[in-house]
Amino acid sequence: QKEVEQNSGPLSVPEGAIASLNCTYSDRGSQSFFWYRQYSGKSPELIMFIYSNGDKEDGRFTAQLNKASQYVSLLIRDSQPSDSATYLCAVNNAGNNRKLIWGLGTSLAVNP
Amino acid sequence: GAVVSQHPSRVICKSGTSVKIECRSLDFQATTMFWYRQFPKQSLMLMATSNEGSKATYEQGVEKDKFLINHASLTLSTLTVTSAHPEDSSFYICSARNSGQETQYFGPGTRLLVL
Repeated sequence: QKEVEQNSGPLSVPEGAIASLNCTYSDRGSQSFFWYRQYSGKSPELIMFIYSNGDKEDGRFTAQLNKASQYVSLLIRDSQPSDSATYLCAVNNAGNNRKLIWGLGTSLAVNP
Repeated sequence: GAVVSQHPSRVICKSGTSVKIECRSLDFQATTMFWYRQFPKQSLMLMATSNEGSKATYEQGVEKDKFLINHASLTLSTLTVTSAHPEDSSFYICSARNSGQETQYFGPGTRLLVL
């Protein structure tokens, strides 16, 4: 069973702090890793994707990938109340239509 | 870029009727589209994968005769919920992916309520 695991949270951080969201995956053949944000009652929206080991930065967001440890994380700097949402980690399945395997999501609350 | 639309955004229907949901990629060609369902406070559940011009691949436990998927063009896929029942009430979300890419872009979702 190929799995993606996330801590369900809620993760609570004060405004302006760094929020750290973590995700582990079981399939060593996975090649693409995605972070989506989902506000309550809305559909997911893409934040970032990462393919290579190391860090990838986009504005206040940094994705970190460690394939050896099968670990991908998302850092949100200078967290804002508007960042409060559920963050979904998704990992591609190299075979079988290359569908994404989804984590259950981490709920983030940024407190003013 | 990478905009996906869904129609309708919300639908209420009587038990036993059929409902069609459209998913369109507005500014790219979607060789593959995915249909998800999400119940309140639960995770996304993939229902089926649809490749343009071929039959959809359904996930285990999803009835293909109840959830009819058509992907007749590179910009349009439809999901028809046949003989809908109250337990089919859910948030249905499509996503689309371009050829050679891995990223899925999501539509805004369709909220279905079956009375």
